[in-house]
Amino acid sequence: DAKTTQPNSMESNEEEPVHLPCNHSTISGTDYIHWYRQLPSQGPEYVIHGLTSNVNNRMASLAIAEDRKSSTLILHRATLRDAAVYYCILFYFNNLFFGTGTRLTVIP
Amino acid sequence: DTEVTQTPKHLVMGMTNKKSLKCEQHMGHRAMYWYKQKAKKPPELMFVYSYEKLSINESVPSRFSPECPNSSLLNLHLHALQPEDSALYLCASSQRTSGRTGELFFGEGSRLTVL
Repeated sequence: DAKTTQPNSMESNEEEPVHLPCNHSTISGTDYIHWYRQLPSQGPEYVIHGLTSNVNNRMASLAIAEDRKSSTLILHRATLRDAAVYYCILFYFNNLFFGTGTRLTVIP
Repeated sequence: DTEVTQTPKHLVMGMTNKKSLKCEQHMGHRAMYWYKQKAKKPPELMFVYSYEKLSINESVPSRFSPECPNSSLLNLHLHALQPEDSALYLCASSQRTSGRTGELFFGEGSRLTVL
């Protein structure tokens, strides 16, 4: 299975940018990089995904290293509602396997 | 309608009971998934259905039996479960089983307690 490695936890001050890193050194050419987040007592929620190029949407930006062995999810201005566990996932064919995730704490 | 609806939200059952979890989506998605999530752990993939056919079974014990009666419905039949099977069971759907097509939509889960 394709694996991802993330820090267990990170903290950010409210309204500051947050950079959440992810290593995926075993990524193959057809693996898409997906990010999901899970708020307490809820199912995971899609954040963003990409293959090679950097991606932006209304929630976040995804920066993908040139060799694709790492990526960074960027929240441009963290809010209290962004406190969640963020999962970096490699999605290939049928398989979307979650890594251990990063628990983000946002400090008011 | 961009929702995945799971019922029941909570279920308590004995080890000899037979029960079912239900998942429904009306987004026209052709891929549906079951995940199991223990407390403070990431979700673990159990089953994947693509066009109503089982395409992945992640070595799940036979006491869990999935069923996809049509493209909108996914069931998980439970029989002779063990207390360690207590967990949050998450259903998800996506347009196709491909990372290119984007997001999985998750339901809020069914919290199962086995006594």
